[in-house]
Amino acid sequence: QKEVEQNSGPLSVPEGAIASLNCTYSDRGSQSFFWYRQYSGKSPELIMFIYSNGDKEDGRFTAQLNKASQYVSLLIRDSQPSDSATYLCAVTLGAGGYNKLIFGAGTRLAVHP
Amino acid sequence: DAGVIQSPRHEVTEMGQEVTLRCKPISGHDYLFWYRQTMMRGLELLIYFNNNVPIDDSGMPEDRFSAKMPNASFSTLKIQPSEPRDSAVYFCASSGDQSEQYFGPGTRLTVT
Repeated sequence: QKEVEQNSGPLSVPEGAIASLNCTYSDRGSQSFFWYRQYSGKSPELIMFIYSNGDKEDGRFTAQLNKASQYVSLLIRDSQPSDSATYLCAVTLGAGGYNKLIFGAGTRLAVHP
Repeated sequence: DAGVIQSPRHEVTEMGQEVTLRCKPISGHDYLFWYRQTMMRGLELLIYFNNNVPIDDSGMPEDRFSAKMPNASFSTLKIQPSEPRDSAVYFCASSGDQSEQYFGPGTRLTVT
């Protein structure tokens, strides 16, 4: 079983819609959760992090965490073509791996005009 | 801040040659990470350092790979001898007290 799972996509949404990206993880001890955006040929860029259950909003982005269900999601409101990229979910590896991140394979998002 | 700096950005070499990748972390960050990204395997952690000391090298694929961090502002990842299956993008990332990691632009390695 993979430690961090994401649907590979592509997830296709029309411009202006809400894009919902999902991620599940296997380690119940994981404490920190991150979303990275990666444009083709570029490096991963940190866009959101969340440490506590619930929602965290930053501009058009909202991260949602449910530790009981071992589920983290990223909502992108008012999606724009410039949001088209691969979104990587990353999770710290348990209480002892404070700074060791395990990445999912990523979900490719395509926002069409 | 200039962010994480990596060099070279592209490297093409022949099988059997030694390859050295370089990284300068963000100033003040105590953690430095080396990752490899391929289409087949995604983003894999190779090794990470805390205060210049290697903490976890369980992701290093084999003895041909080695990494050093002689001081807080410089790290190298060396492959000797290189093989075609080492072709990938190698990223360096750094972080401070929190877990947020910031990535460099990467080195695209091609071994022919």
